[in-house]
Amino acid sequence: GAGVSQSPRYKVAKRGQDVALRCDPISGHVSLFWYQQALGQGPEFLTYFQNEAQLDKSGLPSDRFFAERPEGSVSTLKIQRTQQEDSAVYLCASSGQRGRTGTQYFGPGTRLTVL
Amino acid sequence: AQSVTQPDIHITVSEGASLELRCNYSYGATPYLFWYVQSPGQGLQLLLKYFSGDTLVQGIKGFEAEFKRSQSSFNLRKPSVHWSDAAEYFCAVGVRSNDYKLSFGAGTTVTVRA
Repeated sequence: GAGVSQSPRYKVAKRGQDVALRCDPISGHVSLFWYQQALGQGPEFLTYFQNEAQLDKSGLPSDRFFAERPEGSVSTLKIQRTQQEDSAVYLCASSGQRGRTGTQYFGPGTRLTVL
Repeated sequence: AQSVTQPDIHITVSEGASLELRCNYSYGATPYLFWYVQSPGQGLQLLLKYFSGDTLVQGIKGFEAEFKRSQSSFNLRKPSVHWSDAAEYFCAVGVRSNDYKLSFGAGTTVTVRA
């Protein structure tokens, strides 16, 4: 399809497990964003890539969170040693332009539940 | 840092009635303003955005929003809602000095009754 896709759509992890969440942005989109959306809240910015460069990771809540986009297309958000407070929907968005001036197109999200 | 407030957590409206969702922001300068809609199981979809110019912005699905600098508001309106408008709506703010980072409000859930 032409939109942003994310996989898996649902992930259940036991506390302490590592998880990897994948984002396939719209082909050719320069900018890629990760957000965390807790239940009943709006999305919170996690990190921003421009091509393969991670320009801002100020929103990552701890050093257990790591994101990469090695070839400037697909991105992976990895969470190590998951905790219950990591339970949330993780949203990926891409934009064809640098910065927010381009419309951000969002994927359906990955719902992570940590038991 | 900028912040966004959506005062109404939940609104119920009858089909065919008008809808207005409130959004207030806190930021020293004119921000970039957005409204997104999120249907269950779907990603966020951009309804409209304001960067500059005309303060009344038209969007998709018959929505419009008005930027009022004096009130630090960017309220979303629709003259006649359809059952398919039932969803969660998010207002978001971006700032010119850090132009890729959006700050979202907590959202307003809209229920449409027949």
